[in-house]
Amino acid sequence: DVVLTQTPPTLSATIGQSVSISCRSSQSLLHSNGNTYLNWLLQRPGQPPQLLIYLVSRLESGVPNRFSGSGSGTDFTLKISGVEAEDLGVYYCVQSTHAPRTFGGGTKLELK
Amino acid sequence: QVNLLQSGAALVKPGASVKLSCKASGYTFTDYYIHWVKQSHGKSLEWIGYINPNSGYTNYNEKFKSKATLTVDKSTNTAYMELSRLTSEDSATYYCTRSITNWGQGVMVTVSS
Repeated sequence: DVVLTQTPPTLSATIGQSVSISCRSSQSLLHSNGNTYLNWLLQRPGQPPQLLIYLVSRLESGVPNRFSGSGSGTDFTLKISGVEAEDLGVYYCVQSTHAPRTFGGGTKLELK
Repeated sequence: QVNLLQSGAALVKPGASVKLSCKASGYTFTDYYIHWVKQSHGKSLEWIGYINPNSGYTNYNEKFKSKATLTVDKSTNTAYMELSRLTSEDSATYYCTRSITNWGQGVMVTVSS
């Protein structure tokens, strides 16, 4: 199975600070059809996950544009440009290029 | 709007089975796969498998092939996951999700005698 390694496991930030989360894959996530199926999810405390970004960099409808995704192959990054209080929670990367789908271990974003 | 309503929390005995439900509304049920995801307490997420509500075709994570059975009832727009031969390792929150875009609220399953 593809292993997704997220760093850091915990991230402390102040409101307004910009932060980045890394997701590294044990295999290239470039599919033979040319797409890279790497998504980012946010799980707020006590809530189900919600989709933020799909196909590496495409913003899901309704998600603020302070969120952005980048990367290719095996290295991917989620950036939050100006953390807001509602952004606190655990972020997960998830891949569906290779079966079975796998998730990263999560990065917990907390207030400093 | 899209809504996935899951059944309530379950307390089940070791060795027993449990059937979880996920009722979909706000979209054409047969147009999207339903996936199931496991989250053990305080831990990350594991993909269990998906079902195509139109054809009934299923695809499982090898790890869950002998544990989970996915079905649908198109007449009620409901997806089901049955978990069998439960052990303490199966205690977790289980989510149904429409192609990872929309998620149910989750259902906690506790396996205890």
